Amino acid sequence: QVQLQESGPGLVKPSQTLSLTCTVSGGSISSGSYYWSWIRQPAGKGLEWIGRIYTSGSTNYNPSLKSRVTISVDTSKNQFSLKLSSVTAADTAVYYCARERSRWILSSNLYYFDYWGQGTLVTVSS
Amino acid sequence: DIQMTQSPSSLSASVGDRVTITCQASQDISNYLNWYQQKPGKAPKLLIYDASNLETGVPSRFSGSGSGTDFTFTISSLQPEDIATYYCQQYDNLRTFGQGTKLEIK
Repeated sequence: QVQLQESGPGLVKPSQTLSLTCTVSGGSISSGSYYWSWIRQPAGKGLEWIGRIYTSGSTNYNPSLKSRVTISVDTSKNQFSLKLSSVTAADTAVYYCARERSRWILSSNLYYFDYWGQGTLVTVSS
Repeated sequence: DIQMTQSPSSLSASVGDRVTITCQASQDISNYLNWYQQKPGKAPKLLIYDASNLETGVPSRFSGSGSGTDFTFTISSLQPEDIATYYCQQYDNLRTFGQGTKLEIK
């Protein structure tokens, strides 16, 4: 059974860089057709996709955050990480890491988030 | 960017009711749409992928339909454990979630 676990500081000062790590257990981060994503959710609000990485290092980012986001992967540790720079109070949220599965069915390539971490609250405040 | 608009934003229904949520994409996304259920304090859970395919282990009272820009999510007979917020999510171009529909028991 695949499990994902977020870790990192729960409090970050404005203008600093938010750094989180997601540790994957129960399977290799390098195996299969999977992408590794970060998604966040401000309190009482909806889900916002931040970006994803493939184990080759290829990344995709939400255009609204692209200038501030870096996602990286460390296959030797079975982890991937998020860095979000120049944070403000608007970046306060629960941050989830998630696995996105890619499947070919007939002629379509399907994608969906099948495993999620429990989420970690990051508060931006001085 | 593709925008996803869900309606209603909240819904109150009785146990046994048929519940329908709609999701509209700002452009044609074919059938590249998933539905998730999120209970308070928990991570979202996949229910429907590719607009109409039920994820393994998900009760058959949940279903999805639609293609192009208009999609529907249905619970055929609402159960108390279905109280949650439901999200649609497109994967035609990057990833975008709808704003969510909070479902409550009347």
